[in-house]
Amino acid sequence: KQEVTQIPAALSVPEGENLVLNCSFTDSAIYNLQWFRQDPGKGLTSLLLIQSSQREQTSGRLNASLDKSSGRSTLYIAASQPGDSATYLCAVRTPGSARQLTFGSGTQLTVLP
Amino acid sequence: NAGVMQNPRHLVRRRGQEARLRCSPMKGHSHVYWYRQLPEEGLKFMVYLQKENIIDESGMPKERFSAEFPKEGPSILRIQQVVRGDSAAYFCASSSQTGNYYNSPLHFGNGTRLTVT
Repeated sequence: KQEVTQIPAALSVPEGENLVLNCSFTDSAIYNLQWFRQDPGKGLTSLLLIQSSQREQTSGRLNASLDKSSGRSTLYIAASQPGDSATYLCAVRTPGSARQLTFGSGTQLTVLP
Repeated sequence: NAGVMQNPRHLVRRRGQEARLRCSPMKGHSHVYWYRQLPEEGLKFMVYLQKENIIDESGMPKERFSAEFPKEGPSILRIQQVVRGDSAAYFCASSSQTGNYYNSPLHFGNGTRLTVT
């Protein structure tokens, strides 16, 4: 059974710092991994989707990497801003349960002005 | 191009009443997923539907919960005889049908927050 872990559960950084959020998964046979952002009381916003054949994806100040063999992904945020404050979730799609995304419990990021 | 639309945003029900949650997928999307987020917990898959078909309901409680995605109109998640433990945020997501469905990103709505009193 696929399990997804995100560490740390919470992170607080000063504005302008570069930061890395971590995601690990137990079954490396995934189709893809997706990073989301969730603001309090809101839904999930899709940030990046990395297919299993890809090593990384970039969008603006965000860069997500995938090391499938070790079961890890990182989300790199450059030059963080207070508007980046949110909970960041990663989720994987796994053969055998491909209809479901398996989510981590998220990292709550606070960027201090 | 409107995103995934869910309504109502907030729903309060007394124990024993019925709750109906609606989801209109993004334009052009024919795959709908429902997820539940309990307080202090992560999102858990409930059910996956295509038009007029339930494809996977393995995450949905066997009793009191049902879902549909009719040919016309939104997808409905229905909870009968609600109990306090049903209080949660219910999220709908949709994806397109192009290529392999599992390679398409999911797009989520803002959720319906159900409170059972």
